Formats: sequence, C-alpha cells, structure tokens
Amino acid sequence: QVQLVESGGGLVKPGGSLRLSCAASGFTFSDYYMSWIRQAPGKGLEWVSYISSRGSTIYYADSVKGRFTISRDNAKKSLYLQMNSLRAEDTALYYCAKGNVSSGWFFDYWGQGALVTVSS
Amino acid sequence: QSVLTQPPSVSAAPGQKVTISCSGSSSNIGNNYVSWYQQLPGTAPKLLIYDNNKRPSGIPDRFSGSKSGTSATLGITGLQTGDEAGYYCGTWDSSLAAWVFGGGTKLTVL
Repeated sequence: QVQLVESGGGLVKPGGSLRLSCAASGFTFSDYYMSWIRQAPGKGLEWVSYISSRGSTIYYADSVKGRFTISRDNAKKSLYLQMNSLRAEDTALYYCAKGNVSSGWFFDYWGQGALVTVSS
Repeated sequence: QSVLTQPPSVSAAPGQKVTISCSGSSSNIGNNYVSWYQQLPGTAPKLLIYDNNKRPSGIPDRFSGSKSGTSATLGITGLQTGDEAGYYCGTWDSSLAAWVFGGGTKLTVL
C-alpha cells in the first residue's frame, strides 16, 4: 500500500533553515508528481510547492518563493523541502502528498506530516 | 483570505443531508477540475472526490460532488457522527500557477 513518511521537522529560530524529507513506498515514485502542503495550528490547508515526476517542472506558493526549494531523488524514492530564512508564520504541520491525474490534478495520498516550529 | 470560498461551518442531524459550497473564479474552478478532502480530527487529509464528481474506491456513495460554472458543491447524505470533520475543496489556479484550497468547512453532526 502507498506510504508517505515525512521526517526532519523540529524547532528552529527565525532566520534559520530546515530540510524536510518524505520517503515514499508502495507505488512507482518516479511516475508521479508530488507536493508539499502545510497546515498552521488550528488553520486550513495551504499548498506550498509542486514538483513534476522527473523534477523538470516546479511551482511554489508566493509565500515561500525564494526561500523554499523542492527537490526529489527518484532513485531513493524521496521528496525534499529545503526551507531557508524561516519565519514564525512558517510554523505548521508539513504534509507530503502524492499527486495524480485523471481529467484533472488531485492529491490521492498524504503522509502524516512533519511539525515545523519557528520560534526564538 | 483563501482564493476559494467555503462556509466556515455547517451542521445537521444524523441521517440528514448537508451540502458544502466552494466558490471560485474562471481562473480556478471555472476552468479546472475540483477535488475534495476530508480531514478527521487529528489526522491527515484524505481524498474524497476528484474530477468534480468521482469517488476513489472505498469512498461510500453517500458522498457526492458537483460543479457548475465557478462553484462546486460537496454533498453528504445519511449523515453519521463519524462524518464530523473538516472538508476542503481544491483546484489548480491557472492565473496564479498555484494549487489553491478553500478555507475549509467544519461539519458538525448534532
């Protein structure tokens, strides 16, 4: 079965950096686009970034553009999010989500999330 | 402020029907497919509806989706206490070149 396991979350000071990882299993990782989606405490879902199956196409939310970098290693079946210049408002549970396409795009599997707390 | 607008909360009695609206624009719902996600308390979101009205395997037919113009609707019939959750609509926004979610709707089954 599909499994997505995030790691790398933690407490970091404002201006600091953190790298999240997502280990995928149960599907052919290299065939699917992936995304990071976050949820601040008590708030709704916010899409963060997208990467195509081979990594050739990448999109970011305006709120993280220039600070976050998404990447993937298909050989290791892993997705990454490098987060720099972190701010208090980046505090959230970060979900790794598997993309799929039928007529439209959607996210058919989600990990359990990695908690990132930005505080001094 | 979310690009897609959902009511913050809805409620209904067990066994009843409820609908949750999701309003957008021509750059998102109007020209792209909508998906819906259910988030039970303390858990990760789960795909409920994709391509406006299709259900993944394992999702009961009590859940339905529809789209008209720049709005989409999630319907839930035969409400159960286990349906109490947050519900989110989402779609691609062609103008923003970004995926957008609604602000989420909390369903209470009284």
